[in-house]
Amino acid sequence: ETGVTQSPTHLIKTRGQQVTLRCSSQSGHNTVSWYQQALGQGPQFIFQYYREEENGRGNFPPRFSGLQFPNYSSELNVNALELDDSALYLCASSLGGLRETQYFGPGTRLLVL
Amino acid sequence: AQSVTQLGSHVSVSEGALVLLRCNYSSSVPPYLFWYVQYPNQGLQLLLKYTSAATLVKGINGFEAEFKKSETSFHLTKPSAHMSDAAEYFCAVSLETGANNLFFGTGTRLTVIP
Repeated sequence: ETGVTQSPTHLIKTRGQQVTLRCSSQSGHNTVSWYQQALGQGPQFIFQYYREEENGRGNFPPRFSGLQFPNYSSELNVNALELDDSALYLCASSLGGLRETQYFGPGTRLLVL
Repeated sequence: AQSVTQLGSHVSVSEGALVLLRCNYSSSVPPYLFWYVQYPNQGLQLLLKYTSAATLVKGINGFEAEFKKSETSFHLTKPSAHMSDAAEYFCAVSLETGANNLFFGTGTRLTVIP
């Protein structure tokens, strides 16, 4: 059974640029959630995709957007990067349904200069 | 609204000593509660999950947690700390409606002293 994978592992961008982060869900999972973890903080929910549809969103601006593909992999896109977007971005996959356990990938560490 | 509070951002214990990491929750309905561990430069790994089936939940690596409704607590314990337990620990609660997303506490960094 393949776990959750994310790419790239590290990324450096400059303010104002755009970035795309990728996530492959665990085999059999149809739901992907994205979280932002700033240094020294707990992860914060960005949004979730269930069967290619956005299924919930946290308190993040519209420049954070996403996609889920038919194979349930997912992308997180961030436009007009700001310095405060520097963080570890975590992807988690799960089965659909409330309170299903989420399994996390290793994350992508984004640094915005 | 649901939230979790982790008391103590840093906890240090001696190798072989009891580990106790505290988590209190607020919820208007019976919550699902989770403990995750994060090793340096890694993602989150599930330690254990409370789903209302039993108040004492056993997890991986010898950890367990007890759900106490009267105290709105879900503290994580391990009888004997090992050096490999040094990591960041997060308590999380699932929201009652909407997306199946988690609300995390701010984390507790556990240091194990040899």
